[in-house]
Amino acid sequence: DQQVKQNSPSLSVQEGRISILNCDYTNSMFDYFLWYKKYPAEGPTFLISISSIKDKNEDGRFTVFLNKSAKHLSLHIVPSQPGDSAVYFCAVYDQTGANNLFFGTGTRLTVIP
Amino acid sequence: NAGVMQNPRHLVRRRGQEARLRCSPMKGHSHVYWYRQLPEEGLKFMVYLQKENIIDESGMPKERFSAEFPKEGPSILRIQQVVRGDSAAYFCASSPQSSGAYEQYFGPGTRLTVT
Repeated sequence: DQQVKQNSPSLSVQEGRISILNCDYTNSMFDYFLWYKKYPAEGPTFLISISSIKDKNEDGRFTVFLNKSAKHLSLHIVPSQPGDSAVYFCAVYDQTGANNLFFGTGTRLTVIP
Repeated sequence: NAGVMQNPRHLVRRRGQEARLRCSPMKGHSHVYWYRQLPEEGLKFMVYLQKENIIDESGMPKERFSAEFPKEGPSILRIQQVVRGDSAAYFCASSPQSSGAYEQYFGPGTRLTVT
């Protein structure tokens, strides 16, 4: 059972435009949400996170939005840069439950110069 | 401050052989997690360890797989009698004792190929 879904396996965006990556989850017990970025042959690198008590968190060019009623979160990157080209994974965590992160299947973002 | 280290980075084994994957957590981190990523999939949790203790192994296959995190030395993920389906990237993550488990820092992974 896939508890975290990223329905778009790939996304291409022109440099300077906005990239929007989406993620849906099924379990309302999840209360902490993260985005990781992964380059080929490297491990995932933490990008940004949000707690369930918030609906938005911003860090520079990166903003994460959380819609708890829809069980949906998104990552906005603006403006997109060629160095942002990578695979982006959303991950969710239940602070009262399992000790691990649940990952989505990833979205490959390509930023075209 | 070195990050999470994993070795080897690439490992090739024939069917039936044993694979040993090593993970050294970040300095000061006492919690280690192992994840597996199959092709075109996300990372799947396998096991969570603290020093000398397995805390949660709910994601670990019941047979052939084992993990340890001794008092001294790296954490080891051991796969006995490997099969082609074990071919995957195995990632280790660590977190500091004082944080929630969500603050995980990942190593570069070991890519296991079973021929």
